[in-house]
Amino acid sequence: DADVTQTPRNRITKTGKRIMLECSQTKGHDRMYWYRQDPGLGLRLIYYSFDVKDINKGEISDGYSVSRQAQAKFSLSLESAIPNQTALYFCATSDPLAGGSTGELFFGEGSRLTVL
Amino acid sequence: AQSVTQLGSHVSVSEGALVLLRCNYSSSVPPYLFWYVQYPNQGLQLLLKYTTGATLVKGINGFEAEFKKSETSFHLTKPSAHMSDAAEYFCAVSYSGGYQKVTFGIGTKLQVIP
Repeated sequence: DADVTQTPRNRITKTGKRIMLECSQTKGHDRMYWYRQDPGLGLRLIYYSFDVKDINKGEISDGYSVSRQAQAKFSLSLESAIPNQTALYFCATSDPLAGGSTGELFFGEGSRLTVL
Repeated sequence: AQSVTQLGSHVSVSEGALVLLRCNYSSSVPPYLFWYVQYPNQGLQLLLKYTTGATLVKGINGFEAEFKKSETSFHLTKPSAHMSDAAEYFCAVSYSGGYQKVTFGIGTKLQVIP
C-alpha cells in the first residue's frame, strides 16, 4: 500500500460544484502539503500544514480551502469549482527531523480533477 | 527569493545515448537541490538530492547530478538512456533554516527513441 494515499484519483465535475480531495499518510510525518501541477508550470504550492493546528497559505490558495483533521489526514476543498481549476493535484509529506530537514517531499499518486 | 530554471521542456534522446537535463537555480543562501521523476499516471519520486558534502550525487536508476556553485547549476545525467527512463523530470530547490520551502522547475519531459 502507498504511504501517501489520495482519493479520488480521478474526478469530473461541473462548474460551481463543491469538491473535496482527501489525503492520508502512514509515514508519521507532521508536515503535509497540497500542490497543483499544470503543464508548463511545474508544481505550485496551494496550502501547507506543519501540524493539526498550523495551516498556511501557499502561492496559489485563492479558491481553495483545507482541513487538517488529524496528523495523518489533510483535505483540500474547492468550494465552487471553476474550469481553470482543472489540474493534477498532489498531496505530499515531509519530516523535518529526518530527510525532510532539507525539504525532501514524499508524494501521493495524484488526483486528476476536470471541471466542465 | 529562490527559483529554478529547467532548460528544455521536452528532450529526446536515442536509446543508449547520453541523457543530459539542465537545471539552474537562484538562491540567496546555500541551497538544497533535488531531482524528482514522474512516470505516467504516478506521483513524483525522489531521484537524488544534494544537501552538503560531495558535489557529485548519485541517485537511483543510474542517474547522477553535479552541484556547481560557480555556475549555479545542478544538471542531471545518465550515460546510457533506457526506454524505461521516459518520464517527466523536475528540478527543485530549497534552503536551510526555517521552513524549507521547495520551489520546482517547470519540468522536462524525456522521450527515449528506440
